[in-house]
Amino acid sequence: DGGITQSPKYLFRKEGQNVTLSCEQNLNHDAMYWYRQDPGQGLRLIYYSQIVNDFQKGDIAEGYSVSREKKESFPLTVTSAQKNPTAFYLCASSRTAGQKNTEAFFGQGTRLTVV
Amino acid sequence: AQSVAQPEDQVNVAEGNPLTVKCTYSVSGNPYLFWYVQYPNRGLQFLLKYITGDNLVKGSYGFEAEFNKSQTSFHLKKPSALVSDSALYFCAVRGPQTGANNLFFGTGTRLTVIP
Repeated sequence: DGGITQSPKYLFRKEGQNVTLSCEQNLNHDAMYWYRQDPGQGLRLIYYSQIVNDFQKGDIAEGYSVSREKKESFPLTVTSAQKNPTAFYLCASSRTAGQKNTEAFFGQGTRLTVV
Repeated sequence: AQSVAQPEDQVNVAEGNPLTVKCTYSVSGNPYLFWYVQYPNRGLQFLLKYITGDNLVKGSYGFEAEFNKSQTSFHLKKPSALVSDSALYFCAVRGPQTGANNLFFGTGTRLTVIP
């Protein structure tokens, strides 16, 4: 069953803690993305990766970190430096980074709440 | 710079009536346009895309979209709305430049189909 799997679906974090959100894809896609979704603001790009061992900052990278050690995996760490981490996080992938006519495929999301 | 505007935060339509969700874009060069749907606490699902060719694009679940270059619009339509169409709809555009960070989303339109 091909697709993108995000885990966990819900995550609670205490103030000052780092947490890592998992994203795995078995679509053999080169490009992977992390977006943050807040009510009324649409999707904002946090980080993206065009190929293994490479990643770039998006529009709102401060307080986040990523790695891309394997093609299938693109975990996102929300660090204690992220001032307002409560949000819905979406991982996506697309076949290639430079192919403009390809759509992105999304995981089911992780809802992170700071308690 | 490229951008997408969804001028309506909320659209209400009676079941069985036609629906339209509006999207306008701003991009240099030829646009690559996409529509996605999001159900509560879920990821985005791809509906359809315009790359080139016919201005009327047909997609999943009976949806279609009309590309209008002179009005820089890509409105989503369906001839007869279903209650199950109630969801959050996002328009997105890829600009002509290469790179994985060239996908931009609108802020979303919440569609409510009233029984």
